[in-house]
Amino acid sequence: SQQGEEDPQALSIQEGENATMNCSYKTSINNLQWYRQNSGRGLVHLILIRSNEREKHSGRLRVTLDTSKKSSSLLITASRAADTASYFCATEEYGNKLVFGAGTILRVKS
Amino acid sequence: KAGVTQTPRYLIKTRGQQVTLSCSPISGHRSVSWYQQTPGQGLQFLFEYFSETQRNKGNFPGRFSGRQFSNSRSEMNVSTLELGDSALYLCASSDPGLLTGRYFGPGTRLTVL
Repeated sequence: SQQGEEDPQALSIQEGENATMNCSYKTSINNLQWYRQNSGRGLVHLILIRSNEREKHSGRLRVTLDTSKKSSSLLITASRAADTASYFCATEEYGNKLVFGAGTILRVKS
Repeated sequence: KAGVTQTPRYLIKTRGQQVTLSCSPISGHRSVSWYQQTPGQGLQFLFEYFSETQRNKGNFPGRFSGRQFSNSRSEMNVSTLELGDSALYLCASSDPGLLTGRYFGPGTRLTVL
């Protein structure tokens, strides 16, 4: 079963614009992670935010976490065509288990 | 370091057959976990191994099994294949001592006819 929902399901933007994806989850978490997947290939880890952190940055990525609302958002600034991919949030549960959201399909048009 | 490798990359089987998929984690990583990805169910956790012991198992039937060897390489086996087992099977490795994300392999695309 999946932990929660991601919003939007699909997003289409122009190169240079910012892209924001949201993720909601249901249970208490240790951390929340974001992954990127290109065309049905393996997942690439983007960023991990701990439950006691509210915001984290990595290059053009900014992740926020609101544990009171059980939600997180991923912001990609100044998007590029190469950012076109599916993006998944995942919460880490006991036993090294990741529970993934349904994902957001991002298309960046050049 | 070399990344996570999975073999084979593509596999076509018929219903009722069995299949074995292999995963070699990043050197030094002792935790290996497996995920199934389908269009309908998304990414679902199968099981996780650490130091040759299964520590956690997802909600899959007993036809799905796995093991880990002393060199941390892992295999998963699916017996009596069903059409619904067609999926991308992803392996991930990690070092539980570090709070980092998982390193995923490219996956094995299994098609059951």
